Amino acid sequence: QKEVEQDPGPLSVPEGAIVSLNCTYSNSAFQYFMWYRQYSRKGPELLMYTYSSGNKEDGRFTAQVDKSSKYISLFIRDSQPSDSATYLCAMSSTYSGAGSYQLTFGKGTKLSVIP
Amino acid sequence: NAGVTQTPKFQVLKTGQSMTLQCAQDMNHNSMYWYRQDPGMGLRLIYYSASEGTTDKGEVPNGYNVSRLNKREFSLRLESAAPSQTSVYFCASSEGVGAGTQYFGPGTRLLVL
Repeated sequence: QKEVEQDPGPLSVPEGAIVSLNCTYSNSAFQYFMWYRQYSRKGPELLMYTYSSGNKEDGRFTAQVDKSSKYISLFIRDSQPSDSATYLCAMSSTYSGAGSYQLTFGKGTKLSVIP
Repeated sequence: NAGVTQTPKFQVLKTGQSMTLQCAQDMNHNSMYWYRQDPGMGLRLIYYSASEGTTDKGEVPNGYNVSRLNKREFSLRLESAAPSQTSVYFCASSEGVGAGTQYFGPGTRLLVL
């Protein structure tokens, strides 16, 4: 079983729809959870991060973590064509020393928002 | 601030050639990382440097070497390139506290013929 599972899609939605992106994981030691957005031929950019269980909201984006189910979600409200990208979930796993962590990434979900 | 910068943006090599990918960050971060990204495989960690003066292997280190030149710069070297090293390479840095969130550069696309 992979440590982090993420449906690769592609996911296609009409403009204005609510988008739900999800990851499941198997390692109960994960504490920090992140979502990255990656536009085509660009580097991943950090979108949101949360610590442990709970919700975090930032504008149209909401991140949820359910540690009991080992399940994280990213919701995008009022989706826009500019949200079309690949979304990667990531989780802090191994402590590397000097305050740094290795991240375990999902393989990404490709989202297209159709005007 | 430029954040994380990488050079070159694109490179074509022949099998057996060597090259060094350069990475620099201006965020005063302690930790730096090199990843490769391949279709269907996601991001895989090659090497990382938790702090200046230290480097460690990640998930896929074979065929690569790294140098943490100073706090700002972290280079990745391919000594004898192979077609299996055709990939997109990303450098990242993190401040090494809290969530350990990493900030990525724009990537280097490498094609090995």
